[in-house]
Amino acid sequence: EAGVTQFPSHSVIEKGQTVTLRCDPISGHDNLYWYRRVMGKEIKFLLHFVKESKQDESGMPNNRFLAERTGGTYSTLKVQPAELEDSGVYFCASSQDRRRYEQYFGPGTRLTVT
Amino acid sequence: AQSVTQPDIHITVSEGASLELRCNYSYGATPYLFWYVQSPGQGLQLLLKYFSGDTLVQGIKGFEAEFKRSQSSFNLRKPSVHWSDAAEYFCAVGDPQAAGNKLTFGGGTRVLVKP
Repeated sequence: EAGVTQFPSHSVIEKGQTVTLRCDPISGHDNLYWYRRVMGKEIKFLLHFVKESKQDESGMPNNRFLAERTGGTYSTLKVQPAELEDSGVYFCASSQDRRRYEQYFGPGTRLTVT
Repeated sequence: AQSVTQPDIHITVSEGASLELRCNYSYGATPYLFWYVQSPGQGLQLLLKYFSGDTLVQGIKGFEAEFKRSQSSFNLRKPSVHWSDAAEYFCAVGDPQAAGNKLTFGGGTRVLVKP
């Protein structure tokens, strides 16, 4: 069984540009989470999908961030326009509904905004 | 709001020596508790978890953790480290009362293993 995959693994963009991160959860996992680790800080929750619905988006930093999960499969996280403070590692995780706390993490996307 | 503290940013340990990583949390009741490990180039892997019951929890790769309610701690231990244990370790808590199941993480402890 394939694990959680994320694309790209690295992205370097200039301030003001747009970047879209993608996450493919484990097949059959209804729950999908986005987390972010800014340099030197702790990993912080961004949002949680149950299927295609946003269950909790309390961690989204501002309206420059837009997450979607069309069809309840893969998810995208778009940052538009990117700012310097958006640099960090973006993690995606997924879990089955019946074992909600068994979150399986992807390798992360390292975003650098210059 | 819940919070997690990992007091040690870096720990260096000799191969074969024991390892203990500290984790303290702030939460009104007993949270769900987790330890994750991130090896270079890999995602976070769950080492072990505590929901309730026996306060000594066994995990993968020879790790164990002990929940101490009186100290609000959930320290991770391994009796004898291997070079492959060099990684970053994260303690995390989940709120049993919340519907969203989001995790709150500590800042991480990076473990270096000396030959």
